[in-house]
Amino acid sequence: AQSVTQPDIHITVSEGASLELRCNYSYGATPYLFWYVQSPGQGLQLLLKYFSGDTLVQGIKGFEAEFKRSQSSFNLRKPSVHWSDAAEYFCAVGGNNNDMRFGAGTRLTVKP
Amino acid sequence: DVKVTQSSRYLVKRTGEKVFLECVQDMDHENMFWYRQDPGLGLRLIYFSYDVKMKEKGDIPEGYSVSREKKERFSLILESASTNQTSMYLCASRPGQGVWRIYFGEGSWLTVV
Repeated sequence: AQSVTQPDIHITVSEGASLELRCNYSYGATPYLFWYVQSPGQGLQLLLKYFSGDTLVQGIKGFEAEFKRSQSSFNLRKPSVHWSDAAEYFCAVGGNNNDMRFGAGTRLTVKP
Repeated sequence: DVKVTQSSRYLVKRTGEKVFLECVQDMDHENMFWYRQDPGLGLRLIYFSYDVKMKEKGDIPEGYSVSREKKERFSLILESASTNQTSMYLCASRPGQGVWRIYFGEGSWLTVV
């Protein structure tokens, strides 16, 4: 089965700074890749997804992610972080057997 | 609007009790999932079902079973609850093959004492 690794448990960035959250996946075929965000006490919200085509995908709230097959990565980026971006971020991978696996999450703290 | 409903938001059960967590979706979705979410571990897949009466084990099926007798309902069963099953349980559904939009329920907080 496919799996996801998010190497960073917790990241702190200053407001206005750029952000990159790492995600590595393991899957034998072309994966379906996702990034979700979860604010405290809230449900998961889909930020963006990659299925095929252009390897740089744009999402909501100014986020983007780049699929790199050679590195088995799907890192999430944002050029300028806002205080409201503080949340937990989950990378997920879907496979051809219809299931979906999530990473352990990266908690983002934004410093004023 | 799409809706995944988990019958209980908060439950407190005793060790050894049999616990049922119910999930209903009203979108005629083929696939349904049960995850548990724990701090530092993210969402871990317990079981999923790709059709009525069909089920597949996820990564942590031990201590759990599931039932899908009707398309809209996917039940998670803890045969004999233990304290290490205290967690947030999330149900989800998606339309089916080729459609990768997944919808989550609000979650069920289970405490086993």
